[in-house]
Amino acid sequence: DTGVSQDPRHKITKRGQNVTFRCDPISEHNRLYWYRQTLGQGPEFLTYFQNEAQLEKSRLLSDRFSAERPKGSFSTLEIQRTEQGDSAMYLCASSFRETSGIKGDTQYFGPGTRLTVL
Amino acid sequence: AQSVAQPEDQVNVAEGNPLTVKCTYSVSGNPYLFWYVQYPNRGLQFLLKYITGDNLVKGSYGFEAEFNKSQTSFHLKKPSALVSDSALYFCAVRDSSGGSYIPTFGRGTSLIVHP
Repeated sequence: DTGVSQDPRHKITKRGQNVTFRCDPISEHNRLYWYRQTLGQGPEFLTYFQNEAQLEKSRLLSDRFSAERPKGSFSTLEIQRTEQGDSAMYLCASSFRETSGIKGDTQYFGPGTRLTVL
Repeated sequence: AQSVAQPEDQVNVAEGNPLTVKCTYSVSGNPYLFWYVQYPNRGLQFLLKYITGDNLVKGSYGFEAEFNKSQTSFHLKKPSALVSDSALYFCAVRDSSGGSYIPTFGRGTSLIVHP
């Protein structure tokens, strides 16, 4: 299967600990997105990369959050000093930037990482 | 600014009956509109999108959606519902004239198809 993959699928941690999630996008996709989803809500945008450049960050992305995409392939999202309010599903998506023709690149999502902060 | 509303938290329909999941949007320019489906403990799966052209868009699993510019709506439809269609459905919009490539998602509508 060549879809978006995320690791781990589940993470339980204690408040104050650091956690790191990994996302592997579809191989030919040059854009990668991170979202957070809580119960009863749609995905909320956190940040996105085009190749290795982080082009946009949401105000939801506090200083405790950092994301990288060092070689324009996989990406990591780190949360430092986790808080109970960080408990959520963290979704990664990827898309291919269309330089001509049909625009409105479609995002394809991974299965998500469910974080529980105790 | 862009926004999307899914006015129904839950839609109930009997198997074999037609279904409609509603979505309305607001953008400054022309919209790009998307529907996704999410099964329990899974990520979102792309169903269909409207970029330009025909107002009726056909997508995966027999779903279709109709773009209505005057009513700023993009309702998801299926002629005959299956029990396996039971899931959470999300509508998303992106302003084609904006500088951001980030869509805004609705809160989701839970579709329950009864046998």
